[in-house]
Amino acid sequence: DTEVTQTPKHLVMGMTNKKSLKCEQHMGHRAMYWYKQKAKKPPELMFVYSYEKLSINESVPSRFSPECPNSSLLNLHLHALQPEDSALYLCASSQEQGSGANVLTFGAGSRLTVL
Amino acid sequence: GQNIDQPTEMTATEGAIVQINCTYQTSGFNGLFWYQQHAGEAPTFLSYNVLDGLEEKGRFSSFLSRSKGYSYLLLKELQMKDSASYLCAVMDSNYQLIWGAGTKLIIKP
Repeated sequence: DTEVTQTPKHLVMGMTNKKSLKCEQHMGHRAMYWYKQKAKKPPELMFVYSYEKLSINESVPSRFSPECPNSSLLNLHLHALQPEDSALYLCASSQEQGSGANVLTFGAGSRLTVL
Repeated sequence: GQNIDQPTEMTATEGAIVQINCTYQTSGFNGLFWYQQHAGEAPTFLSYNVLDGLEEKGRFSSFLSRSKGYSYLLLKELQMKDSASYLCAVMDSNYQLIWGAGTKLIIKP
């Protein structure tokens, strides 16, 4: 079983839609992350939730908004997206942020297509 | 600025050995990671090096030289399933993970 669960695996949405990507981790980790990955590119960090504090990559547009209902859930709300936002969205978790051996465990990813 | 360099693509033969290099220039250093990513899938953790030297884990080994800003991932007894992208990532002094662009490894029979 995947220890970081993402839903849905695939999402197609129009530019006026509102949708959400969900992520849950079952490992008791204290840090959770959302990454965006375009084809043949490395993952780009969007948000980090760690010790009840949310950190935002300032380059991420406001049409993406994270929500952390509890320490094991980190959702990503999507609104008025653009076609260039089509990408693989990866959720990850780690024991804690701010330590060297901070191994990320990724979910299977949510493939988003914006029409 | 911070920079990580890896070859874009490499080709190797099944059963052979391949070495994927990674050089980095970052603001501080708190460890180097290698991840494997199959096409369309999420990255999976392979190795972590924070001290100089070689770490061996089955068919995969990772080497680090901090003074040279250099690491390599060594894959032995290559199998077709090793065809994937290999991502080098460095944790900087602020514990931010800086990713390389990845090396696509193609294994031929």
